Amino acid sequence: GEDVEQSLFLSVREGDSSVINCTYTDSSSTYLYWYKQEPGAGLQLLTYIFSNMDMKQDQRLTVLLNKKDKHLSLRIADTQTGDSAIYFCAESIRSNDYKLSFGAGTTVTVRA
Amino acid sequence: DAMVIQNPRYQVTQFGKPVTLSCSQTLNHNVMYWYQQKSSQAPKLLFHYYDKDFNNEADTPDNFQSRRPNTSFCFLDIRSPGLGDAAMYLCATSKLGGANEKLFFGSGTQLSVL
Repeated sequence: GEDVEQSLFLSVREGDSSVINCTYTDSSSTYLYWYKQEPGAGLQLLTYIFSNMDMKQDQRLTVLLNKKDKHLSLRIADTQTGDSAIYFCAESIRSNDYKLSFGAGTTVTVRA
Repeated sequence: DAMVIQNPRYQVTQFGKPVTLSCSQTLNHNVMYWYQQKSSQAPKLLFHYYDKDFNNEADTPDNFQSRRPNTSFCFLDIRSPGLGDAAMYLCATSKLGGANEKLFFGSGTQLSVL
């Protein structure tokens, strides 16, 4: 099975909060990341969290990390149409030379 | 202001006909990566260069090769493309690799195999 798992789709109304969830299997993850991919573009780093933290906030973005359950989430407050994209969760592990392992991505659709 | 540039944006090749995808960067980063991304799947690392040192992933088929003639350019060569190689190919760079390195991605090349 995949090391990093995400649900494939999320639909949210404009102005509401979006919550994208991710689970990972390797307890030795060092950093966990959220990347955003807009149509026709490459992946862009949105935010990241160090594994000894449980929360990080960056403007409209809040990352929550539950190490016990190996669960990572990204909350986007006041979701806008420009937030429609694919969101990838990724982890880096020291034993793998910190190379990133990505999830399959969650497609977020923002409806008016 | 594109920093990681991939050409072409779309590439069509024939089954078994060699194809080369290119990537260039203006960031002067040490590390360059090639990922394969199929629809609704996670980007999969094929290999990466740390400077001139080539690092192949264990499960990357021999059909995939790479060249990095200088810091700025990196090429992905597919010697005999099969139908299963149709995918988006993403190039990425990072300054040094290692913990918490930010990856910068190009826009990708969408490869079709007829």
